[in-house]
Amino acid sequence: NAGVMQNPRHLVRRRGQEARLRCSPMKGHSHVYWYRQLPEEGLKFMVYLQKENIIDESGMPKERFSAEFPKEGPSILRIQQVVRGDSAAYFCASSPRPRNEQFFGPGTRLTVL
Amino acid sequence: EDKVVQSPLSLVVHEGDTVTLNCSYEVTNFRSLLWYKQEKKAPTFLFMLTSSGIEKKSGRLSSILDKKELFSILNITATQTGDSAVYLCAVDENTGNQFYFGTGTSLTVIP
Repeated sequence: NAGVMQNPRHLVRRRGQEARLRCSPMKGHSHVYWYRQLPEEGLKFMVYLQKENIIDESGMPKERFSAEFPKEGPSILRIQQVVRGDSAAYFCASSPRPRNEQFFGPGTRLTVL
Repeated sequence: EDKVVQSPLSLVVHEGDTVTLNCSYEVTNFRSLLWYKQEKKAPTFLFMLTSSGIEKKSGRLSSILDKKELFSILNITATQTGDSAVYLCAVDENTGNQFYFGTGTSLTVIP
């Protein structure tokens, strides 16, 4: 009965490279949320997806960031041309329905050199 | 700008002490307030509160919501070293799709 899975757990990229973060929700959950946590800050909402649809991307930077949740496979958060300021922990959460408590994955810690 | 404010930012107590963590919020269309415990990994869900004045309890942890004064408290009695973590408070609105998180209270319990 696996929980939310994220990989990789740690990712190091040089400036200008691409980062791909993956999230597999809990079994039976079709709602996925991505959050970013900077040092000394709280979790900041980025995007909410349901299978094949982006429902709310109001927290996503307008450039370089994109997210998808295909019919098959994990949700992907993609950051193009990473910069040092992208270094953070990125958490994914899932829920079986909207407005339910969200269950979090262990996070991916992205370090941009 | 911050919709959810937690206090204190950090707290150091001795095992056996009782602690109270505070969370105040300001949202226009409140739906629920949630407490999470975050150790060095994923935040784990503790409580969801939707109604004022009804205490939720789980072992040594309890929480209550005051919708009139717009705050919640999380109490931990007889603290143990395993309670050391960051405790996060989040608020959900009826409009919108996100939880608004506070910056958390870092609790350290020393033996």
